[in-house]
Order: sequence, then structure tokens, then C-alpha cells
Amino acid sequence: DIQMTQSPSTLSASVGDRVTIPCRASQSISRWLAWYQQKRGRAPKLLIYQASKLEDGVPSRFSGSGSGTEFTLTITSLQRDDFATYYCQQYADYPYTFGQGTELEMK
Amino acid sequence: EMQLLESGGGLVQRGGSLRLSCEASGFTFSKFAMTWVRQAPGKGLEWVASIIGTDGTTYYSDSVKGRFTISRDNSKNTLFLEMHSLRAEDTAVYYCAKGNSLARYYYMEVWGKGTTVTVSS
Repeated sequence: DIQMTQSPSTLSASVGDRVTIPCRASQSISRWLAWYQQKRGRAPKLLIYQASKLEDGVPSRFSGSGSGTEFTLTITSLQRDDFATYYCQQYADYPYTFGQGTELEMK
Repeated sequence: EMQLLESGGGLVQRGGSLRLSCEASGFTFSKFAMTWVRQAPGKGLEWVASIIGTDGTTYYSDSVKGRFTISRDNSKNTLFLEMHSLRAEDTAVYYCAKGNSLARYYYMEVWGKGTTVTVSS
């Protein structure tokens, strides 16, 4: 199975900050990676697919990069609405696997 | 607007069975892969099962293989998850999600609100 690692599990930031959330795959997944945002008590929401493609309707302050085993989600000029938990997920092979999640909390 | 609405969750005893449903609307259901993902209380997301292709090929996580069955009724735009031999560790919110294609590998572009399954010991 492909293991997805997100570290740290919690990240503290302030409104207006630029934030980067890393994700590492245990083997190469090319660019078959998605990023999801989940707010407490809500369903996940797709932000990024194929490592760097922005889903329709997602603000342009979100961006994704990387390929192979190293990936990053970047949020420029953090907004209050962005404080949530972010998960990476590989869809290069079954079983699909998610990272443990990175909770973005207000500093 | 694409929507997914899960139902069928509830409280069940260990060893019992439950059938979850996910009704889809706003898109041509038969043309897309579908997935069940679950989230145990206070934990992260866990992929459970997928159904893909025109032939309905299925994939399962090792944790549910042999106990859960994913299926779909394209005439009713509905996805199912039949769950048997339920264990305490199956307690979770179960989400259904729509893939971006029918292909074997896809990302999950639309998610339902989830239905809660609680397995009592």
C-alpha cells in the first residue's frame, strides 16, 4: 500500500500569512494527488486534483505543487475561512490512501 | 447542481448488518465511478470501497473486504454499501463521493454530507 504522510499534524498561522502544507508519498505517485479541505462537522471539499489543478470555484489563493513523492499545498494570504483540516490523497493505485491530515489553527 | 444524499445509518449491535444508500442527482450517475469513505470519531479519512467502469468493477480496503459490498443501481441513481459482521471499529461517519470519471483511477469531486453508523458492543 502507498503510505501518505502529512507532517505536522497541526499548523498555527494568522490571517494574511502564507502557509505551506507538505505531503509525502511512500513511493512515486506521479501527479495523482488530490487535496481536500474539511471543516469541523462538515464533509470534505475538493480543492486541488492532479497535484496542481485548481477545482472550479476554489479561490486562487490555493495552489498545489509537486510530483513523484513530494507535494505541497500553499495558501497565500490566509483568510479566516481557511482555518480547517487539510488532507492529501493519492489515487495512483488501490487502496486509495489519505494523509493523516494537517489542522490549520489560528495563532 | 450535483448532489449526493446518504441515508441508512444508525445504531447497530456488534455482529449486525446495515445497508447504506446514497442518492445522486444533478449528473448522469451511470457515467461516474463512486466511492465510500469513512471517518471514525476524531480521526482522519479512510477510503472504504469504490465501484468503477461500465462493468461495475469493485475495490475494497482490507479492513472491510469480505464483510462489505458496494453496488449501484443506475436506474435509480443510487449507490449502496451493504455492511455485515459489523465491529466497533466500523463506527464512523460514512460519506459517498462521486469520481470525476468511470476510469480505474479518479479523484473525488463531489461529496455527500454523510451518514453516521454506530456499532455498539
